[in-house]
Amino acid sequence: EEQLVESGGGLVQPGESLRLSCAASGFSIRSYWMSWVRQAPGKGLEWVANINEDESKKYYVDSVEGRFTISRDNAKNSLYLQMTSLRAEDTAVYYCVRPRLAYGYDAYDMWGQGIMVTVSS
Amino acid sequence: DIQMTQSPSSLSASVGDRVTITCRASQSISNYLNWYQQKPGKAPKLLIYAASSLQSGVPSRFSGSGSGTDFTLTISSLQPEDFATYYCQRSSTFGQGTKLEIK
Repeated sequence: EEQLVESGGGLVQPGESLRLSCAASGFSIRSYWMSWVRQAPGKGLEWVANINEDESKKYYVDSVEGRFTISRDNAKNSLYLQMTSLRAEDTAVYYCVRPRLAYGYDAYDMWGQGIMVTVSS
Repeated sequence: DIQMTQSPSSLSASVGDRVTITCRASQSISNYLNWYQQKPGKAPKLLIYAASSLQSGVPSRFSGSGSGTDFTLTISSLQPEDFATYYCQRSSTFGQGTKLEIK
């Protein structure tokens, strides 16, 4: 069975750091652009970042540019999101997502279960 | 940046009703438009991709149409399990969501 499983969330204070991980199973992430999407409590979906197959291209939503870093380890079949200088407005459920088709942008047909990140003093 | 605007933001309907949700792009996006369904506490689920293509396993009562700037998601006959929030998406931009509630 193909699946994505996020880990690493939790409660942190403003200004602190956290690293999210996403472990893929049942398929290889090697051929896919991978992304992170988040959802603040009671709010809509917000794309956060994506990364291409060989890590040569990385894109971020403006609000996290310079604070978050997306990375991947194709050998470990895993995706990561390093989050620094966290703010209260980063509080959200973070989803690891995969597009339908390899080697390009497409609709997200696979989502992890989501991991909660809470930034509060 | 392209903006995606959904309407309505909420909608009350009954089982068996035909329901249409609209998504408008701030500029032409051809057919690069996807629709998702999200139930409380769950990850979103892909329903429609490329404006009108039904994702595998999704019931045929769901359909999508449109191109350019105006798109619609239609549920032909609402079932109890369809009450959820629906989002349109183009690349890195999601609409604000439409919450479909039971009347």
